[in-house]
Amino acid sequence: QVHLVESGGGVVQPGRSLRLSCTTSGFTFSTFAMHWVRQAPGKGLEWVAVLSHDGGSQFYADSVKGRFTISRDNSKNTVYLQMNSLRAEDTAVYYCVRDHSSGWNYWGQGTLVTVSS
Amino acid sequence: EIVLTQSPDTLSLSPGESATLSCRAKYRIGSIYLAWFQQKPGQAPRLLIYAASSRATGIPDRFSGSGSGTDFTLTISRLEPEDFAVYYCLQSGATPYTFGQGTKLEIK
Repeated sequence: QVHLVESGGGVVQPGRSLRLSCTTSGFTFSTFAMHWVRQAPGKGLEWVAVLSHDGGSQFYADSVKGRFTISRDNSKNTVYLQMNSLRAEDTAVYYCVRDHSSGWNYWGQGTLVTVSS
Repeated sequence: EIVLTQSPDTLSLSPGESATLSCRAKYRIGSIYLAWFQQKPGQAPRLLIYAASSRATGIPDRFSGSGSGTDFTLTISRLEPEDFAVYYCLQSGATPYTFGQGTKLEIK
């Protein structure tokens, strides 16, 4: 069955960097676009970024554009989120999500990123 | 950016009643790009409805979606105790993709 497992979260100081990973299994990773979605504590869901199946196109939320980079390694069935110049408002649980024409049906369990001095 | 506005913010109902949740888009959305999710505390969101009216795998038929253009609705009939949660709509028709702010369905 399909599994998505995020890792790499933690506590980081403002202005520093962090890289999240999402390791997947149970499906042909190289044929699906992948998203990152985040949720600040007690708040709603915010879409962050999407990367096409082959890594050829990517789109970002305005709030992270120029600071975050989504990438993938299809040989490792893994999608990444490189987060630079982190701010307090980036504090959130970050979920990776598999894209599909029948809906975003598979989500990881999330990894918490806390930006604090 | 396509802003999605959900109403109401909070809905208080009793088990057995029906719930109607609204999602209104600032601009017209193709129906295939509108989805609904349920989220319970401490859990990842769960897909309920995609393409405005198609139920995801394993979702009970008391959940139904409808609408087109700028106005979409999630209806939950015969509320069960496990249905009390937060519900979000999502548009994936144009980047940046956007979620509604959520509707909290609480037990009256």
